[in-house]
Amino acid sequence: AQSVTQLGSHVSVSEGALVLLRCNYSSSVPPYLFWYVQYPNQGLQLLLKYTSAATLVKGINGFEAEFKKSETSFHLTKPSAHMSDAAEYFCAVSKNTGFQKLVFGTGTRLLVSP
Amino acid sequence: DADVTQTPRNRITKTGKRIMLECSQTKGHDRMYWYRQDPGLGLRLIYYSFDVKDINKGEISDGYSVSRQAQAKFSLSLESAIPNQTALYFCATSDSLHYEQYFGPGTRLTVT
Repeated sequence: AQSVTQLGSHVSVSEGALVLLRCNYSSSVPPYLFWYVQYPNQGLQLLLKYTSAATLVKGINGFEAEFKKSETSFHLTKPSAHMSDAAEYFCAVSKNTGFQKLVFGTGTRLLVSP
Repeated sequence: DADVTQTPRNRITKTGKRIMLECSQTKGHDRMYWYRQDPGLGLRLIYYSFDVKDINKGEISDGYSVSRQAQAKFSLSLESAIPNQTALYFCATSDSLHYEQYFGPGTRLTVT
């Protein structure tokens, strides 16, 4: 079975500070990993994905994530937070073959203060 | 126009009522999904469909049913709504080649 753990249901940063959202996964097979963002009253939007190519993945809006197999992690980072980054972020895992069932973490709400 | 649309966007209904949530997509994807989002629980899969003739239960299908009327349409029904089905419901789509899913804007359902 696959699972995702997101550490911290809320993360607060100041505008201009580093954003670090943590995601650890468990998978019995090589995984594909995703980060989605959900803005208020909207659906989920794909930020970036890891599908076994480069381990450092760049996404939209200046976000990136690094796949670390030894640490079973896929943390999301952004060098400088912007007020518009305030949203809820979800990490998800799927198998790299067969049915692409996504298993989501419980989400981390990012709060950005001026 | 949005690639994945859901109707209604908001719905308040009473316990015991039957309700249908609808999803349409213009992405040409063959795979469609229904998820439920509850605070602190993330998204959980209710049903998924690989094509019109292939429908499968997800992890929390009890109390729900679905219909895939066409490749582009996937409906979720609550036969007899109960208060603990109050949640945000999302439809998503994907194709068979890529692994990312594309989400609709959601339907906020309240059962009183």
